[in-house]
Amino acid sequence: EVQLLESGGDLVQPGGSLRLSCAASGFTFNNFAIHWVRQAPGKGLEWVSGISYSGSSTYYADSVKGRFTISRDNSRNTLSLHLSSLRAEDTAIYYCAKGGEELQFLSLYMDVWGKGTTVTVSS
Amino acid sequence: EIVLTQSPGTLSLSPGERATLSCRASASVSSRYIAWYQQRPGQAPRLLIYAGANRATGIPDRFSGSGSGTDFTLTISRLEPEDVAVYYCQKYGSSPIFTFGPGTKVDIK
Repeated sequence: EVQLLESGGDLVQPGGSLRLSCAASGFTFNNFAIHWVRQAPGKGLEWVSGISYSGSSTYYADSVKGRFTISRDNSRNTLSLHLSSLRAEDTAIYYCAKGGEELQFLSLYMDVWGKGTTVTVSS
Repeated sequence: EIVLTQSPGTLSLSPGERATLSCRASASVSSRYIAWYQQRPGQAPRLLIYAGANRATGIPDRFSGSGSGTDFTLTISRLEPEDVAVYYCQKYGSSPIFTFGPGTKVDIK
């Protein structure tokens, strides 16, 4: 069974940092792009960041560019998102989601999602 | 940047009725780049439709996607109680990579 399991969410003060992780299983991890998508309380979905299947290319939403860093370890089937200079508006559930197309640079859609991890930015 | 608009905001129907959800793009988009997701209360999103009209694995055939250009539609042919959810359309693009619509909430009367 294809699974994604996020961890690392926490309560953090404005300006602080956090590292989220996503553990993957049930598929050939290094053949698929992976993305982070977030959802603020009571709001819709916002794509945050994506990384190509090889890890050679990374992409960010303008709202997080320069503050968040995505990376992957294909030997450990894990994805990470380092969040820094956190703001109240970064408060959200963060989902990791698998690209739907094998060996496609970023994929056109996301076919499997984790249950999410909650980040709260507040003093 | 192409913006997605979804209508209606909320749809309240009886079981067995047909639900038609609209997703409109501010400029023409290839249907290859359109996907639909279902998010039930308290759950993560789930892929329903990709490339405009292809059902994802395990999705019942009462769900169908169609459209071209700027207008795309998700149809639920016979609404069931477990279809209560928010439905999002999504577009693949260059910057940002993915854009989501604001969602349509489907309720059962």
